[in-house]
Amino acid sequence: AQSVSQHNHHVILSEAASLELGCNYSYGGTVNLFWYVQYPGQHLQLLLKYFSGDPLVKGIKGFEAEFIKSKFSFNLRKPSVQWSDTAEYFCAVTARGSSASKIIFGSGTRLSIRP
Amino acid sequence: DARVTQTPRHKVTEMGQEVTMRCQPILGHNTVFWYRQTMMQGLELLAYFRNRAPLDDSGMPKDRFSAEMPDATLATLKIQPSEPRDSAVYFCASGPLPNSPLHFGNGTRLTVT
Repeated sequence: AQSVSQHNHHVILSEAASLELGCNYSYGGTVNLFWYVQYPGQHLQLLLKYFSGDPLVKGIKGFEAEFIKSKFSFNLRKPSVQWSDTAEYFCAVTARGSSASKIIFGSGTRLSIRP
Repeated sequence: DARVTQTPRHKVTEMGQEVTMRCQPILGHNTVFWYRQTMMQGLELLAYFRNRAPLDDSGMPKDRFSAEMPDATLATLKIQPSEPRDSAVYFCASGPLPNSPLHFGNGTRLTVT
């Protein structure tokens, strides 16, 4: 069964700082990978996804993530964060090719941006 | 803009009472998921359905929780009897295909006193 680890529970940055949030997954086969964002008091929204092809994927609001298969990682990055990026970020994985596969989420990383 | 609709948004109940949460997935989506979010455990998968059939409910306490899809437009999650440790936000999400990105509802915030 697949699993996801997000080692940073809470990250605090100043505006304009660069961001990298770690995500590692555990699964022996091919995977689809996602990052979701949850703004305070709201539901989860898709930030970006990787299915295949270019391992560097770009999402909304200037976010990008890089799939490194050898490291089982899918880290989220943004070159310059804004106060409005304050939110909780969730990495998720699903096994590709399995019609019965479920989407498993990491425990989330809370990002706080100091104005 | 199609949305996943969850009702109620908030529910406060006393221990021992039955709680029913409802979800209307996006029309045409054939996968439906129930997640529970708490500070301690994060997002836990409780159950999920494909084409209304339950595929996995191993994350759900079977003695008190039950999940059903009476039809393609309604998914329900019931807790009977409820306990204070069930207090959490319960999210429903749907997707058009297996392994596709999910669309989340706004959640039901449950407080059991």
